[in-house]
Amino acid sequence: AQSVTQLGSHVSVSEGALVLLRCNYSSSVPPYLFWYVQYPNQGLQLLLKYTSAATLVKGINGFEAEFKKSETSFHLTKPSAHMSDAAEYFCAVSHFTGGGNKLTFGTGTQLKVEL
Amino acid sequence: ETGVTQSPTHLIKTRGQQVTLRCSSQSGHNTVSWYQQALGQGPQFIFQYYREEENGRGNFPPRFSGLQFPNYSSELNVNALELDDSALYLCASSPGDKQETQYFGPGTRLLVL
Repeated sequence: AQSVTQLGSHVSVSEGALVLLRCNYSSSVPPYLFWYVQYPNQGLQLLLKYTSAATLVKGINGFEAEFKKSETSFHLTKPSAHMSDAAEYFCAVSHFTGGGNKLTFGTGTQLKVEL
Repeated sequence: ETGVTQSPTHLIKTRGQQVTLRCSSQSGHNTVSWYQQALGQGPQFIFQYYREEENGRGNFPPRFSGLQFPNYSSELNVNALELDDSALYLCASSPGDKQETQYFGPGTRLLVL
């Protein structure tokens, strides 16, 4: 069965500092991996996805993630945090249910950006 | 290009009632998935519809049911509402050839009293 673990339910960084949000996955087949962002009282916005092409994936808003098979990780990074990055971030793995694709999400990481 | 839309945005029901939530998929997308997100948790997969047929289901009881229409829009119906059904219900659509990539709507916030 596929699963996702996000280490750190809350992460706090200073504006301009590096953002690092951790995600480890478990999958019996080559995974499709995703990062989504959720702002308060909104739905999920796709940040980036890994679908077995380049291992370093660039997304929107300056975020990127690197797929490391040996570490079963897909950590999200951004070189310089901005106040507008404050939100909840979810890592997810996609897999077939015997018909269609479903996303299995981690429990989320709340990112706080301080002045 | 219009994204995924959901209605209503908020809803209050009482225990035992029935509710219908609606979703319009993004233009060109023929697959719709529904997720339940309880407060402080990640979304949980309810089910997926492709070409008007249920195409996968998560660990939700039969009182959670759905429909997909020829225009690919979808409904989620929940019967005999329980207090624990209070959550944000998210609809996501994806193109048939890339079902793994799902684009989410803004959600419907359901409160069961």
